[in-house]
Amino acid sequence: KAGVTQTPRYLIKTRGQQVTLSCSPISGHRSVSWYQQTPGQGLQFLFEYFSETQRNKGNFPGRFSGRQFSNSRSEMNVSTLELGDSALYLCASSFDRADTQYFGPGTRLTVL
Amino acid sequence: AQSVTQLDSQVPVFEEAPVELRCNYSSSVSVYLFWYVQYPNQGLQLLLKYLSGSTLVKGINGFEAEFNKSQTSFHLRKPSVHISDTAEYFCALHQGGSEKLVFGKGTKLTVNP
Repeated sequence: KAGVTQTPRYLIKTRGQQVTLSCSPISGHRSVSWYQQTPGQGLQFLFEYFSETQRNKGNFPGRFSGRQFSNSRSEMNVSTLELGDSALYLCASSFDRADTQYFGPGTRLTVL
Repeated sequence: AQSVTQLDSQVPVFEEAPVELRCNYSSSVSVYLFWYVQYPNQGLQLLLKYLSGSTLVKGINGFEAEFNKSQTSFHLRKPSVHISDTAEYFCALHQGGSEKLVFGKGTKLTVNP
């Protein structure tokens, strides 16, 4: 089976812009979770989607949002980018909510 | 609230030496425990997991971990490391019924020749 794919792998944006990241889960997986990884804060949970519904959200401002499509693919959006949003954004998929999560390669976002 | 503590931020070892990466967790309910490895510029790869049953769990690349409920620990071990094991290792817990993983801060393992 193909693994979790994320596009794009690298992004450079400037402050104030918005960005959309994409994640395609492993075939058959219905749950998609997003995490932010920074040197200072480590790995932090952003949100999780299952059957097109957000079921859990981490402690991030409303500028961070996401959605899931009927084919389980997910996107996350960050509006009004700040320098502190520079991070590796990781997507993980699992068959169901309590199952093992498998991660994609991540999208490296740099905000200038 | 659940938390994961990785006691060592960096662990240098020589090739073919044994290594133990320590992980302690805090949770008021039963949890599932995981070790992930991250190579430079890559995502997280699952090494092994403890869901239930035998407390000694074997994973990929010769790694194993032991779940100790009384000490709330889940230490990762390998009897003989290779240069290729140089990476960052993350311990994580997943509370039953919850969607999210809670990660430790990571341990950078450096294997020297």
